[in-house]
Amino acid sequence: LAKTTQPISMDSYEGQEVNITCSHNNIATNDYITWYQQFPSQGPRFIIQGYKTKVTNEVASLFIPADRKSSTLSLPRVSLSDTAVYYCLVGDSGNTPLVFGKGTRLSVIA
Amino acid sequence: DVKVTQSSRYLVKRTGEKVFLECVQDMDHENMFWYRQDPGLGLRLIYFSYDVKMKEKGDIPEGYSVSREKKERFSLILESASTNQTSMYLCASSWGPQHFGDGTRLSIL
Repeated sequence: LAKTTQPISMDSYEGQEVNITCSHNNIATNDYITWYQQFPSQGPRFIIQGYKTKVTNEVASLFIPADRKSSTLSLPRVSLSDTAVYYCLVGDSGNTPLVFGKGTRLSVIA
Repeated sequence: DVKVTQSSRYLVKRTGEKVFLECVQDMDHENMFWYRQDPGLGLRLIYFSYDVKMKEKGDIPEGYSVSREKKERFSLILESASTNQTSMYLCASSWGPQHFGDGTRLSIL
């Protein structure tokens, strides 16, 4: 399973756009990139998944360059409620077990 | 919306007890997973299952077993609970991205 590297923590002010980058240099051809959000005392919550280029949903955007060795989760206009840990994972669409790293702890400040 | 329900949010048991953690999903997913989450260690996979009556060991299966008698239910069993099994336990199901329950915080005294 491909290993990912992402920043340990990030701070942002409310209303700003936040970009969290994840490196996955040995991603396999059939791997997807999936991001989860986790609040304290809750299970991780699926945010977005992509294979290449750009994916957007009502919560976030995911940018994936052509070489797929990295990806960037973009959260538009964050609020205090976006304070959470964000995990980047790679795997073949999620049907196989995922390897969770330490994630990025995002703190949104008023 | 996918719903993964874990039977208890909080549970306190004593060492040596046999402990059952139950997980039910309502989306007819083939795949189900059990993880534990500990501070500084992240989520670690204990067992997973691709179909009824099938099970596969994850990264840390020692001291645990599982049961999948019905497609919607995946049970984690601590055969003889020990204090080092105090943790947050998370169940997930998938056909595509994994969907998680809210976890069971288990304390072994």
